[in-house]
Amino acid sequence: TQLLEQSPQFLSIQEGENLTVYCNSSSVFSSLQWYRQEPGEGPVLLVTVVTGGEVKKLKRLTFQFGDARKDSSLHITAAQPGDTGLYLCAGALTASKLTFGTGTRLQVTL
Amino acid sequence: ETGVTQTPRHLVMGMTNKKSLKCEQHLGHNAMYWYKQSAKKPLELMFVYNFKEQTENNSVPSRFSPECPNSSHLFLHLHTLQPEDSALYLCASSTRTTHNEQFFGPGTRLTVL
Repeated sequence: TQLLEQSPQFLSIQEGENLTVYCNSSSVFSSLQWYRQEPGEGPVLLVTVVTGGEVKKLKRLTFQFGDARKDSSLHITAAQPGDTGLYLCAGALTASKLTFGTGTRLQVTL
Repeated sequence: ETGVTQTPRHLVMGMTNKKSLKCEQHLGHNAMYWYKQSAKKPLELMFVYNFKEQTENNSVPSRFSPECPNSSHLFLHLHTLQPEDSALYLCASSTRTTHNEQFFGPGTRLTVL
């Protein structure tokens, strides 16, 4: 079983702080996706990164794909309470399925 | 609203009951998936259907029986479940592109007594 380890598992920060979530694996992925899941809902796709070294920005969120396409990071600038949720990375090994990471639960308080 | 609906949203059942979970996607996708999400475990892929044909069964116990009558509907039939099967069951769909981006439903929270 391919494993995607995320760190940290839990993160509780105050509004306005910056944070970084990491997603690491020993496998090479053709692409990597980040999802956010809020309580009572399913995961929602935030971004897909495809090229080694690629950086994508989505407002206050910055996503990076490692050069070797084995790892990724998500950086949030000036976190807001609306960023609270479970962040999941997912790597595509084949066209038929994704391998999901262990998850990072983020709590942003006022 | 992601275009994928699931019913019921919550289900409590005894170990001897038979129940079914339903998923419907309104996105025109050709692939549908069942996932299990338990506390402290990564999201686990259970079944994959592509154009109504099952293409993946991830060693799921036979007490879980999927059915895909068409590309828009997916069912998960449950019978003689165990308490450890209590979890959030998520349905997803995709267009099966190289990146296989998934669109999830809100899930069914299942409790087995």
